[in-house]
Amino acid sequence: EIVLTQSPATLSLSPGERATLSCRASQSVTSQLAWYQQKPGQAPRLLIYDASNRATGIPARFSGSGSGTDFTLTISNLEPEDFAVYYCQHRTNWPPLTFGGGTKVEIK
Amino acid sequence: EVQLVQSGAEVKKPGESLKISCKGFGYSFTGYWLGWVRQMPGKGLEWMGVIYPYDSDTRYSPSFQGQVTISADKSISTAYVQWSALKASDTAMYYCARLRDGYYDYWGPGTLVTVSS
Repeated sequence: EIVLTQSPATLSLSPGERATLSCRASQSVTSQLAWYQQKPGQAPRLLIYDASNRATGIPARFSGSGSGTDFTLTISNLEPEDFAVYYCQHRTNWPPLTFGGGTKVEIK
Repeated sequence: EVQLVQSGAEVKKPGESLKISCKGFGYSFTGYWLGWVRQMPGKGLEWMGVIYPYDSDTRYSPSFQGQVTISADKSISTAYVQWSALKASDTAMYYCARLRDGYYDYWGPGTLVTVSS
């Protein structure tokens, strides 16, 4: 089973800064990776699919890149509402539909 | 508008049985896989299993195989997860989510299950 490892576990930043989140797969998932955002008390929300495609309604400050085993979610200009936990998920030969352990983006 | 409506919070005792539900609105329920995801208190997301309501084809995560039963009734656009004997370690938030091409594109609000003696 493919394991997704996210880093860092916590990212402390100020509004307006750039956030760079990493997701590394234990073997290639080609570009079959998604990113989700989860705010406290809410269900997750799909942000990015197929590594770099923004889901419907997702602001342009969110961007995804990468392929194979290394992926990045970038939030270019952190807004107050962006402080949340972010998860990656792969769909290679699904199921399984494994998630990474998450990265918390907190206010510095 | 696509919506997934989940049943309400449950408080149960260890050993009791439970069935929670997820009803889909605004899309062809039989045309998409639907997944269940567990989130234990303060922890990350774990995929439990998926079901294709058209023919009830079901696939389980090895971690949940034999621990839960996932089912669906396509006539009422509803999917279920059930436990025959709950444990304290089943305490968690359970989400259903629609799958589009292997990604969870719409999520229900979650059902909180608390198991305590």
